[in-house]
Amino acid sequence: AQSVTQPDIHITVSEGASLELRCNYSYGATPYLFWYVQSPGQGLQLLLKYFSGDTLVQGIKGFEAEFKRSQSSFNLRKPSVHWSDAAEYFCAVGALEYGNKLVFGAGTILRVKS
Amino acid sequence: KAGVTQTPRYLIKTRGQQVTLSCSPISGHRSVSWYQQTPGQGLQFLFEYFSETQRNKGNFPGRFSGRQFSNSRSEMNVSTLELGDSALYLCASSRGGGKTGNEQFFGPGTRLTVL
Repeated sequence: AQSVTQPDIHITVSEGASLELRCNYSYGATPYLFWYVQSPGQGLQLLLKYFSGDTLVQGIKGFEAEFKRSQSSFNLRKPSVHWSDAAEYFCAVGALEYGNKLVFGAGTILRVKS
Repeated sequence: KAGVTQTPRYLIKTRGQQVTLSCSPISGHRSVSWYQQTPGQGLQFLFEYFSETQRNKGNFPGRFSGRQFSNSRSEMNVSTLELGDSALYLCASSRGGGKTGNEQFFGPGTRLTVL
């Protein structure tokens, strides 16, 4: 079965500083990996996805993530955080055998201080 | 192109009642998935419908059911509501087609409160 761990419940960074949100997954074969962002009271917006190929994936809003099979990780990064990035971020894993079912991590709440 | 719409956005029910939530996917999308989001359990997969057939199901009791219509719109029903059913219910649509990895687009959710 798939599982996702996001070790950090809360992260606070200063505006303009770099950001890395951690995500570790458990799945026997090659997973499909996603990062979503959720603002309060809103649905989820897809930031980026990894299916195959290049392990460094570029997404929207200046985010990128790197798939590292050896570490079972898919960490999200941004070189310079803006106050509008404050939100909750979810890592999710899917797999061909599970159709469109996604298993989500617990989420990381990002706070941006000015 | 209109996004995923969910109605109603907010709902208050009492224990023992039943509720029906509706989801209209993006035009052309044939797969609709439902998720429950709570502070304690996080985001949990309920079920997925594709071409009017349930293709996948999560670990929820039989009180949770769904269906999909020929126009791909989907409804989910919760019978005999319990306090623990209070949650944000999110619907996601994708083109489907049998392969995961299809990008899923989420609606704004329906906030259900059970009193």
